[in-house]
Amino acid sequence: SQKIEQNSEALNIQEGKTATLTCNYTNYSPAYLQWYRQDPGRGPVFLLLIRENEKEKRKERLKVTFDTTLKQSLFHITASQPADSATYLCALERVTGGGNKLTFGTGTQLKVEL
Amino acid sequence: GAGVSQSPSNKVTEKGKDVELRCDPISGHTALYWYRQSLGQGLEFLIYFQGNSAPDKSGLPSDRFSAERTGGSVSTLTIQRTQQEDSAVYLCASSLYNSQETQYFGPGTRLLVL
Repeated sequence: SQKIEQNSEALNIQEGKTATLTCNYTNYSPAYLQWYRQDPGRGPVFLLLIRENEKEKRKERLKVTFDTTLKQSLFHITASQPADSATYLCALERVTGGGNKLTFGTGTQLKVEL
Repeated sequence: GAGVSQSPSNKVTEKGKDVELRCDPISGHTALYWYRQSLGQGLEFLIYFQGNSAPDKSGLPSDRFSAERTGGSVSTLTIQRTQQEDSAVYLCASSLYNSQETQYFGPGTRLLVL
């Protein structure tokens, strides 16, 4: 069966360091992958999309890599700040009989400490 | 604002009652999605509307769940004969055309079934 795995344990890092979050998947051949941020009590907010033919994508302090051989995406936040503390979700396109749709991982909670 | 809105923000109901949750998507967005998020869990896809096509209902967990989208805009998710396991945050999202695009999420409706 198709699976998306994100580290369920919270990631605690110090302000200024680079946070790296992992998204692994099995039995998928996604055309693209998205990363979202979710704050407590709010809906997810889109951050970045990376396509299967792109190895890396950047947006300000964010960087996403996509390795279709390893079936893994890494999400990096450089020069992390306490305001980056949130849960980060990856989402993959899933092909179904009803058409393509996104399937979300369970998310990894990031806590940036002073 | 011009984002996705949902109502009510919180709903407490008794087991066995019916509930209706409302979603107003971003104006002009033809695709609308409903998800469920239980505590510590990822987003569980429920149903997807795209334009005038028949909705993809493949994620609805039982026949107690149904959804409508009137006039290609507002959507209502109905849960009949609610059970305690239905307690969760119900999130609505919309995208411009289809599921291969960024989804914009509403704040969610927190449903508690006593």
